[in-house]
Amino acid sequence: AQTVTQSQPEMSVQEAETVTLSCTYDTSESDYYLFWYKQPPSRQMILVIRQEAYKQQNATENRFSVNFQKAAKSFSLKISDSQLGDAAMYFCALNAGGTSYGKLTFGQGTILTVHP
Amino acid sequence: ETGVTQTPRHLVMGMTNKKSLKCEQHLGHNAMYWYKQSAKKPLELMFVYSLEERVENNSVPSRFSPECPNSSHLFLHLHTLQPEDSALYLCASSLKVGETQYFGPGTRLLVL
Repeated sequence: AQTVTQSQPEMSVQEAETVTLSCTYDTSESDYYLFWYKQPPSRQMILVIRQEAYKQQNATENRFSVNFQKAAKSFSLKISDSQLGDAAMYFCALNAGGTSYGKLTFGQGTILTVHP
Repeated sequence: ETGVTQTPRHLVMGMTNKKSLKCEQHLGHNAMYWYKQSAKKPLELMFVYSLEERVENNSVPSRFSPECPNSSHLFLHLHTLQPEDSALYLCASSLKVGETQYFGPGTRLLVL
């Protein structure tokens, strides 16, 4: 079985500041993918960033970057220069192989508020 | 149109009604998924289709019946639903099973 845990139900940040969202996961597979998705009030689930487990280099996508610690099974998301449009629910998700191949397992989500 | 679309965006139905949710992807993908998102619960995978064949069914009640007539379209047929089935139903697609999934905007369903 695979699990994803987001221990921060809510986070807030000032506009232009940096915020880090935490995520831990568990899987027995050696090959897997990790994702951060963003769900704004429109409820559209938007892919933010993706990390392949076999890659040691942390993924980056403009203002978004991850800190992937494979041994610790930790996958945090850093948002730099936060903007009002970043306000949303953020979900960490795991896509592993084995019997769970193709299945995305989501965390509980973190609500991010951005203050002007 | 681009990406993944879902219709209707909102649906209210009684417990005796029959309705269908539609999902269409314009990405040339071969895998499609249905997820259920209830309040205060993580997203739950319901069904996975690969090249129009169902490859995953996560113990979903039979009152939910999926249909995938081709790789671009996915339906979720609903009948005799319960109030606890009220949720946001999200469709997603990926190039193939196991690849990155892209989501539609969802259908918000209310069962009275």
